Amino acid sequence: QKEVEQDPGPLSVPEGAIVSLNCTYSNSAFQYFMWYRQYSRKGPELLMYTYSSGNKEDGRFTAQVDKSSKYISLFIRDSQPSDSATYLCAMTRTGNQFYFGTGTSLTVIP
Amino acid sequence: GAVVSQHPSRVICKSGTSVKIECRSLDFQATTMFWYRQFPKQSLMLMATSNEGSKATYEQGVEKDKFLINHASLTLSTLTVTSAHPEDSSFYICSAISPDSGNTIYFGEGSWLTVV
Repeated sequence: QKEVEQDPGPLSVPEGAIVSLNCTYSNSAFQYFMWYRQYSRKGPELLMYTYSSGNKEDGRFTAQVDKSSKYISLFIRDSQPSDSATYLCAMTRTGNQFYFGTGTSLTVIP
Repeated sequence: GAVVSQHPSRVICKSGTSVKIECRSLDFQATTMFWYRQFPKQSLMLMATSNEGSKATYEQGVEKDKFLINHASLTLSTLTVTSAHPEDSSFYICSAISPDSGNTIYFGEGSWLTVV
């Protein structure tokens, strides 16, 4: 079993839709959770960072962590064509070793 | 957020030559940096973990003599692809842990290597 599972998509939504991206994981010791956005032919860009369970909101983005279910989510409200990218989840226990999802490809159609 | 700069962004080299890629943390000191390789439409593949002042730790299957990693200072790690071959052509990305931002990592912009 992989440490982190992420549906690769592709996911296609109309502009303005709410997007839900998810990852599940197997290691209950993970404490730090991150979401990255990667545009084609660029390095990943940190979007959200959360510690332990709970929600965190930043503009149109909301990250949720449910440690009891080993499930994390990223919600994008009022999606824009510029949100079209691959979204990677990542997590770590100690900050020395990081585990990544395979990435979900998102296309927002104008 | 913290800034990690990677150079060059694109490089073309001849088969058999060596090429060096630099990864710099611009506004923080990074004791640990990571090097990844990414094939088109695939996820990141960790190649090695680079620790300042010590030898890098390579992932299984990564040739340490081919992919030389040096982390000589707290702001600079380098990846040298030695005796490059066309199959080494890929997108190489570095990342660094920012101690001021909790346990999270920041990525460089990536470097496209084409070996001809």
